[in-house]
Amino acid sequence: DAKTTQPNSMESNEEEPVHLPCNHSTISGTDYIHWYRQLPSQGPEYVIHGLTSNVNNRMASLAIAEDRKSSTLILHRATLRDAAVYYCILRRFLNYGGSQGNLIFGKGTKLSVKP
Amino acid sequence: GAVVSQHPSRVICKSGTSVKIECRSLDFQATTMFWYRQFPKQSLMLMATSNEGSKATYEQGVEKDKFLINHASLTLSTLTVTSAHPEDSSFYICSATETLAGGPDEQFFGPGTRLTVL
Repeated sequence: DAKTTQPNSMESNEEEPVHLPCNHSTISGTDYIHWYRQLPSQGPEYVIHGLTSNVNNRMASLAIAEDRKSSTLILHRATLRDAAVYYCILRRFLNYGGSQGNLIFGKGTKLSVKP
Repeated sequence: GAVVSQHPSRVICKSGTSVKIECRSLDFQATTMFWYRQFPKQSLMLMATSNEGSKATYEQGVEKDKFLINHASLTLSTLTVTSAHPEDSSFYICSATETLAGGPDEQFFGPGTRLTVL
């Protein structure tokens, strides 16, 4: 799977938007961009994923660059409960369905939210 | 989203004993489950991939005789740490794969099991 690059840490103020960047310059055409987050002492939690178009769900938005070499996870109004490590991961989608193998976790971005 | 549970959430054991951790997919059938290990302040490291009804595939450097994995049904996988030692103390996390309509499989994670070996 192609690698991703994320900042080690970011800070945000409560109730302000947060933009978490991810670079994936070696992404291939069949790689989906996934975001997971891990709160302290918990298992990772699925946040969102996308392929080419921007995506929205109840947790966040995912903005994908036109060349797909970077993406941004957007939390519209950060809360204290959003403090976590956010992982950007690429997964290859196989033509016959399903994804290739397991998730490979990098170091992610540790997001701190200040009240 | 799909729910994955783990039991126990926390276990403390003496060195030399064996510990079994259960991972269940509660509202879906998971043909594939994964086991990860996470040491303090580090990222998740994949230990093994478990497919229902077949032998697990272990990552390089993971001792299959020490970390026994059984995936006997579509909703249950177990990890047994045999003859545990203090260096096995870690946060063990399982995940299960669900195929989403029109897209890639999605992995859903359990809450993790904190193992402390004295």
